[in-house]
Amino acid sequence: QLQLQESGPGLVKPSETLSLTCTVSGGSISNSYYWDWIRQPPGKGLEWIGSVYYNGNTYYNPSLKSRVTISVDTSENQFSLKLSSVTAADTAVYYCTRRRRSSGWYYFDYWGQGTLVTVSS
Amino acid sequence: SYVLTQPPSVSVAPGKTARITCGGNNIGSKSVHWYQQKPGQAPVLVVYDDSDRPSGIPERFSGSNSGNTATLTISRVEAGDEADYYCQVWDISSDHPVFGGGTKLPVL
Repeated sequence: QLQLQESGPGLVKPSETLSLTCTVSGGSISNSYYWDWIRQPPGKGLEWIGSVYYNGNTYYNPSLKSRVTISVDTSENQFSLKLSSVTAADTAVYYCTRRRRSSGWYYFDYWGQGTLVTVSS
Repeated sequence: SYVLTQPPSVSVAPGKTARITCGGNNIGSKSVHWYQQKPGQAPVLVVYDDSDRPSGIPERFSGSNSGNTATLTISRVEAGDEADYYCQVWDISSDHPVFGGGTKLPVL
């Protein structure tokens, strides 16, 4: 059974960089899937941040593109998120997910448990 | 960009049928996926490609999609179905996913 687990600091200061890692177990990150980050501010809905393919190709939400970097480390079976210049608006639960393709469309079939990141001084 | 509209809340009594809608322009031409999120937990995929169920999801969960509305139907609702439900599509024009705003399902 595939499992995803987020790790990283739960508290980040304003203007600094948020860094999270997702460790994938029970399967290889090098299979032909996309690996995505999605976040959810407290009490609000889901927002897609971006994704990385196993070969390193990346895709970002245009609204966050200037501040986001997602990378993959196939040797460690991990992928990572960096979000720079954070503000209180970036406070959210961050989920790592696996994206699956079906008939030309995509959905998210595996999710990590999520990690709350609070931006505060 | 593509917009998905869900009702904020749909209430249902135990044993009855709940129908949660997801509206979008010509959504019937897209594949719609549904996620269940219980408090403090990660979302779980309950329906994909309009009407398919992942392994382990009860047959009580079903989906349909036509015209401008997709619908998640939960039959014989149980207290454990109380959760937020999100619809999702892939927007080809922007090449990224779009989520609905979510619908809270209280089981009265």
